[in-house]
Amino acid sequence: QSALTQPPSVSGSPGQSVAISCTGTSSDVGNHNFVSWYQQHPGKAPRLIIYDVRGRPSGVPDRFSGSKSGNTASLTISGLQAEDEADYYCISFAGSYDYVWGSGTTVTVL
Amino acid sequence: EVQLLESGGGLKQPGGSLRLSCEASGFSFSNFAMVWVRQAPGRGLELVSANSAKDGRTFYADSVKGRFTISKDSSTNTLYLQMNSLRVEDTAVYFCAKSMRSMSPEALDYWGQGTLVTVSS
Repeated sequence: QSALTQPPSVSGSPGQSVAISCTGTSSDVGNHNFVSWYQQHPGKAPRLIIYDVRGRPSGVPDRFSGSKSGNTASLTISGLQAEDEADYYCISFAGSYDYVWGSGTTVTVL
Repeated sequence: EVQLLESGGGLKQPGGSLRLSCEASGFSFSNFAMVWVRQAPGRGLELVSANSAKDGRTFYADSVKGRFTISKDSSTNTLYLQMNSLRVEDTAVYFCAKSMRSMSPEALDYWGQGTLVTVSS
């Protein structure tokens, strides 16, 4: 159960776009479309913002989008806003009812 | 309204046991996979255990296999996590969460507020 690799931090100015990568292997991200992304503000429970690579739960702004290429999934935040400053985590199905989390990325709004 | 309310956290000595509970309401508890996710102080998220509603399968992180047991009582809509042989490294906030699906636990659309477990001598 090795963690998926995410950049420790990304930053951007309000209105800009930022992308967070989530790199796994051909056993997890590369072999399944069950990749989800979570947003977590300090002291709060995580919030699901993307599921099944690119699905968006109701209530999640459309400036959040997901994609995947090969063994890497990505979360893009377009039109960055101050409230987007948070930690972001990815998780992927890894086969045979096994799951692996990303290491987490802190997004800073400059 | 979906609600998940965890309880049972506290301070325990290494080697001790603790049982966490998660009371669920506002949805058909028997139809969705339920999970426990933990977060150690200043660290990332870890899927500790999951229980499939579809076929009863369970998932455990390598770090807790053989020590933790997930279970549920559909008559009271309560999810449990029995934690035995506690270690210092089990110290974390434990979240109960509901999956969007009956089996796979990676898309968790509702979360509890978390309960703190501290393992220390």
